[in-house]
Amino acid sequence: DAGITQSPRHKVTETGTPVTLRCHQTENHRYMYWYRQDPGHGLRLIHYSYGVKDTDKGEVSDGYSVSRSKTEDFLLTLESATSSQTSVYFCAISLDGASGANVLTFGAGSRLTVL
Amino acid sequence: SQQGEEDPQALSIQEGENATMNCSYKTSINNLQWYRQNSGRGLVHLILIRSNEREKHSGRLRVTLDTSKKSSSLLITASRAADTASYFCATAPNTGANSKLTFGKGITLSVRP
Repeated sequence: DAGITQSPRHKVTETGTPVTLRCHQTENHRYMYWYRQDPGHGLRLIHYSYGVKDTDKGEVSDGYSVSRSKTEDFLLTLESATSSQTSVYFCAISLDGASGANVLTFGAGSRLTVL
Repeated sequence: SQQGEEDPQALSIQEGENATMNCSYKTSINNLQWYRQNSGRGLVHLILIRSNEREKHSGRLRVTLDTSKKSSSLLITASRAADTASYFCATAPNTGANSKLTFGKGITLSVRP
């Protein structure tokens, strides 16, 4: 997981509380992504960013917001956490492979439990 | 809905045997990728095959793509206990870093020593 770190790695919170997950990269990549991983669903895209202050929604964006004020940091915020947001959250950065293919490098994940 | 669907959902083999995993998808793609995830870790990119390619090799990995059937296979030859992991296929609709990948649900591979 070189070049990309997520914090916190584990968090337990209560329903209704705000939660912010942080993704930090040292690779200076333009594209950053937040996915959630749940049993039976695989990975689903929440939000992504294509530059500082440039973000867009993914497949499961309801209940989440993101911010990117610096190239290296991409924050995922749950304004009011719900039990359905209990999941493992992965940040990814985009490596332009040969001929511009979108190859992702993932962080180690942040396990969030909402009680 | 998921673009990629892996098959089987779980696979258990003996060390030294070959492991074959399949992925089917629904819409046209620019490329298809396979990722591995060890328990408690993030996904790691293994191999990419483009829509105009039929087969690619990387070490003990062989991936094939049949765009007419919208399917791909990942073959791991001479498996090792260290290959125990979950494997995901991911499809990209177009080229470039702005092409959002869609992942399947994954295949759990267990390699018995």
